[in-house]
Amino acid sequence: NAGVTQTPKFQVLKTGQSMTLQCAQDMNHEYMSWYRQDPGMGLRLIHYSVGAGITDQGEVPNGYNVSRSTTEDFPLRLLSAAPSQTSVYFCATHPPGGETQYFGPGTRLLVL
Amino acid sequence: GDSVTQMEGPVTLSEEAFLTINCTYTATGYPSLFWYVQYPGEGLQLLLKATKADDKGSNKGFEATYRKETTSFHLEKGSVQVSDSAVYFCALKGKSGYALNFGKGTSLLVTP
Repeated sequence: NAGVTQTPKFQVLKTGQSMTLQCAQDMNHEYMSWYRQDPGMGLRLIHYSVGAGITDQGEVPNGYNVSRSTTEDFPLRLLSAAPSQTSVYFCATHPPGGETQYFGPGTRLLVL
Repeated sequence: GDSVTQMEGPVTLSEEAFLTINCTYTATGYPSLFWYVQYPGEGLQLLLKATKADDKGSNKGFEATYRKETTSFHLEKGSVQVSDSAVYFCALKGKSGYALNFGKGTSLLVTP
């Protein structure tokens, strides 16, 4: 089992470009989340999903869109990248009622 | 809202020294508490957890006790190793929440 995978590992964008960060899991977990990690800020929740077709906003959702059409995939879309979105992005999953979250290896994004 | 406060880093220790990283929380009810570790260039991994007051989580020589009276979950290890060098995050999950609230992280460097 691969667990939680994220692609790409690293990406450079110009301001205004769009892109999608991919997250996939083979753990059959219903809950998935996106976090961003910034120096001195810890991890902050962007969006989360409790199942296919259901998403909700976290602490810092502005500038990001998500959708959840399958249990396995939870892509994060940046419609118009800004330098403030330079960060490391982590996807995480856990089963309903489960306490432990399982994290992907992260995507490092640089917006110029 | 729920929040976690942990001591600022970086923390530099010599090998075999005693480690304490302080963590306090604010939450309604009885959250579950976690310590996650992030090794350089990797995603977060669960180190230990406690789900109710007075529980002690332990793993790889690390321990933390859920103290309801002081709203604390301090991480300790009796003798650190160079391989323990990493960033440590304290986190909580409320009983009605879906995702984690993280502290800002504490960087630990252990020197030979």
